[in-house]
Amino acid sequence: QKEVEQDPGPLSVPEGAIVSLNCTYSNSAFQYFMWYRQYSRKGPELLMYTYSSGNKEDGRFTAQVDKSSKYISLFIRDSQPSDSATYLCAMAIGGSYIPTFGRGTSLIVHP
Amino acid sequence: DAGVIQSPRHEVTEMGQEVTLRCKPISGHDYLFWYRQTMMRGLELLIYFNNNVPIDDSGMPEDRFSAKMPNASFSTLKIQPSEPRDSAVYFCASSPSSSGANVLTFGAGSRLTVL
Repeated sequence: QKEVEQDPGPLSVPEGAIVSLNCTYSNSAFQYFMWYRQYSRKGPELLMYTYSSGNKEDGRFTAQVDKSSKYISLFIRDSQPSDSATYLCAMAIGGSYIPTFGRGTSLIVHP
Repeated sequence: DAGVIQSPRHEVTEMGQEVTLRCKPISGHDYLFWYRQTMMRGLELLIYFNNNVPIDDSGMPEDRFSAKMPNASFSTLKIQPSEPRDSAVYFCASSPSSSGANVLTFGAGSRLTVL
């Protein structure tokens, strides 16, 4: 079992839908949780960064962490075709630790 | 800042040839990472440097791979000899120590095809 599991998809939704992307993990020591977005033929870029449990909101994006279930989610409200990309979760034990990445979920938002 | 700069963007070579990938990190970033991305395995960490010193190279697949960072503004990843299974997108990323090693800025990647 990999430390971080993420369904590769693809996940296809209509424009305007609420999207839920998820990752599970096995290492209970993870405390820092990140979401990266990767457009086709580009490098990943940091989208959201959270510490420990709880929610964090940034515009149409909400990151949620449930450490008791070892489960993190990224919600996208009012999804747009420009949100079509691969979303990778990443997590780290501490601030100075290298993050472990999930394989990424491919999201397609069709008009 | 121009971000993390990688070259070449695309490389097509024949099996057995030497391949050198180059990276210029963001000025002031203390950490530099080399990743490999494939459909099957996702993003894999190959090696990372802190202040130009290699810290962990346990992800380097085998002795055919080597990486150097002669100064704070330049790093190379070399594959010699290359094999078809090395075909992948190779990313360089950098991070400032002020944010720990978590917040990575990635380059656009070097797409390697070994025939």
